[in-house]
Amino acid sequence: GAGVSQSPSNKVTEKGKDVELRCDPISGHTALYWYRQSLGQGLEFLIYFQGNSAPDKSGLPSDRFSAERTGGSVSTLTIQRTQQEDSAVYLCASSLRNTEAFFGQGTRLTVV
Amino acid sequence: AQSVTQLDSQVPVFEEAPVELRCNYSSSVSVYLFWYVQYPNQGLQLLLKYLSGSTLVKGINGFEAEFNKSQTSFHLRKPSVHISDTAEYFCAVSAGGTSYGKLTFGQGTILTVHP
Repeated sequence: GAGVSQSPSNKVTEKGKDVELRCDPISGHTALYWYRQSLGQGLEFLIYFQGNSAPDKSGLPSDRFSAERTGGSVSTLTIQRTQQEDSAVYLCASSLRNTEAFFGQGTRLTVV
Repeated sequence: AQSVTQLDSQVPVFEEAPVELRCNYSSSVSVYLFWYVQYPNQGLQLLLKYLSGSTLVKGINGFEAEFNKSQTSFHLRKPSVHISDTAEYFCAVSAGGTSYGKLTFGQGTILTVHP
């Protein structure tokens, strides 16, 4: 596609429910990143996929967070048993190897 | 590990005035440096980047930044701002190599341009 596409753009969920956030990277980009943007913590790295290598999960805040990337393209970030502190904008980015990252518009998650 | 400090959380300025947004970083390894802009309800857009070579880097929309290794700074400047430059600006670093896009961001600077 022309840019990084994220869906949904907004998601409201009840505390304790699971949510899935989707990212469609730019076609041909081998690297995919998830970041979280919140008022208290700013922009934080969550996880990074590069080709067929094992993902760098060093930024995931707890074991309730997981992500997968199927077929080297689409990625899904899953948050289990959501908590109010998970409320944030989740940004996805993609890049060719060792080039600048292009960001999507984000998914705004609100946990009520 | 790297860290980034943006020294001003908010910068108000009048239209056509010059502006400087300050960024300092710390790292135990060589880093790549970036400035991103975020307009309301939008994703991040790359303004400019420093990888190596000339320490003065020019970016889009008339912005430029200067890498100063001795002061570990990467300040963003524009000689004359427009109303449309009102946005939040983020300084970021990465360790490069296979971690090129794994960015550590500063807390952001909100630039408000007044008429």
